[in-house]
Amino acid sequence: GAVVSQHPSRVICKSGTSVKIECRSLDFQATTMFWYRQFPKKSLMLMATSNEGSKATYEQGVEKDKFLINHASLTLSTLTVTSAHPEDSSFYICSATSGRTNTGELFFGEGSRLTVL
Amino acid sequence: LAKTTQPISMDSYEGQEVNITCSHNNIATNDYITWYQQFPSQGPRFIIQGYKTKVTNEVASLFIPADRKSSTLSLPRVSLSDTAVYYCLVGSDNYGQNFVFGPGTRLSVLP
Repeated sequence: GAVVSQHPSRVICKSGTSVKIECRSLDFQATTMFWYRQFPKKSLMLMATSNEGSKATYEQGVEKDKFLINHASLTLSTLTVTSAHPEDSSFYICSATSGRTNTGELFFGEGSRLTVL
Repeated sequence: LAKTTQPISMDSYEGQEVNITCSHNNIATNDYITWYQQFPSQGPRFIIQGYKTKVTNEVASLFIPADRKSSTLSLPRVSLSDTAVYYCLVGSDNYGQNFVFGPGTRLSVLP
């Protein structure tokens, strides 16, 4: 199956700093990637959809200036949490569709746990 | 809004068969139905996918009625390691799809 890798898996930062999370498709070209946020014991909340070479489409209520998403290549999307604050602490997960089968199967990264002190 | 509804939680005992039903009344013609399993602090992982009728793989079966407005994930003989959250998702790779998750079903397998 298609493999998606996220890095870092865990990151701790001070309040006010920015953090970048990378999402890579290792063995396929991902024209579309999705970023989710998940709080403890809650479902995944879709933050944005990014298409290679174009601006990300953010879900309602997600601050695009706070969560910068870049999808510069077919194998890499990045999420930058700018001026992070403790309330941004969460589990962030990326996923991608491979476009091979058109069945809507999502391939997920391992997730990145952000802790803002 | 999520396009699916599922029971919030279920309990089962080891060795039993577990069936989790998902409703997706507004499923589109091109949509497939995919089920994922998620353990704490991990990304979801694929369990099974189908379009209609029945699909079976080495870990589960998926039953989809003719109207496709619901689907049932069947886990045979569950073990403690099957304790997880299970999500059903409907969609396709069509441009513009946004994959919104419902609350999922938290399955607890007891000894």
